[in-house]
Amino acid sequence: QVQLVQSGAEVKKPGSSVKVSCKASGGTFSSYTISWVRQAPGQGLEWMGRIIPILGIANYAQKFQGRVTITADKSTSTAYMELSSLRSEDTAVYYCARSRDGYNDLDYWGQGTLVTVSS
Amino acid sequence: QSVLTQPPSVSGAPGQRVTISCTGSSSNIGAGYDVHWYQQLPGTAPKLLIYGNSNRPSGVPDRFSGSKSGTSASLAITGLQAEDEADYYCQSYDSSLSGYYVFGTGTKVTVL
Repeated sequence: QVQLVQSGAEVKKPGSSVKVSCKASGGTFSSYTISWVRQAPGQGLEWMGRIIPILGIANYAQKFQGRVTITADKSTSTAYMELSSLRSEDTAVYYCARSRDGYNDLDYWGQGTLVTVSS
Repeated sequence: QSVLTQPPSVSGAPGQRVTISCTGSSSNIGAGYDVHWYQQLPGTAPKLLIYGNSNRPSGVPDRFSGSKSGTSASLAITGLQAEDEADYYCQSYDSSLSGYYVFGTGTKVTVL
């Protein structure tokens, strides 16, 4: 059974950066894709980007290009999402989620990490 | 900004059938990409409900079904139950510059 466990809640100042981790267990980490999805309070789901750990290649939604960096450490089966130049509108719950190789659905999700941006 | 459009809300009495539409375009659903559906209960992470347009993961009741035609897809819930009250999102792949994976705007299902 695949499990994705994310790091804890963060409070950040505007203009700073945040790095959220997502540790996977079960399955073969390198054989799947990890996406990051965020959800602002009372809003819908927004896909930010993904990484294919076996290739180390990341793709980003155009909206976040230049501000988000997604990485993966195969030795610890952990993916990371770093968002820079934070503003109040980035206050949201950030989720990591897995796609199986060759599929575009997100079949396992982390529990979510609340990032609050406030001065 | 979502590129897949869903109705904001649908409602039904217990036992009834409700459907949720998901309308896309020629760069996502209309291009032949699969549609997936997620259920999000209050305060929890989304859960995969339907993948590949009409397939249910293990453990998902057969009251939930999905279909796709042209640039749209639909999720149907038959025999509506109180526990189905949640937010539902569709998701697909988009080949335009808007992003690789795209979500619908979300639909709140209320059980009357």
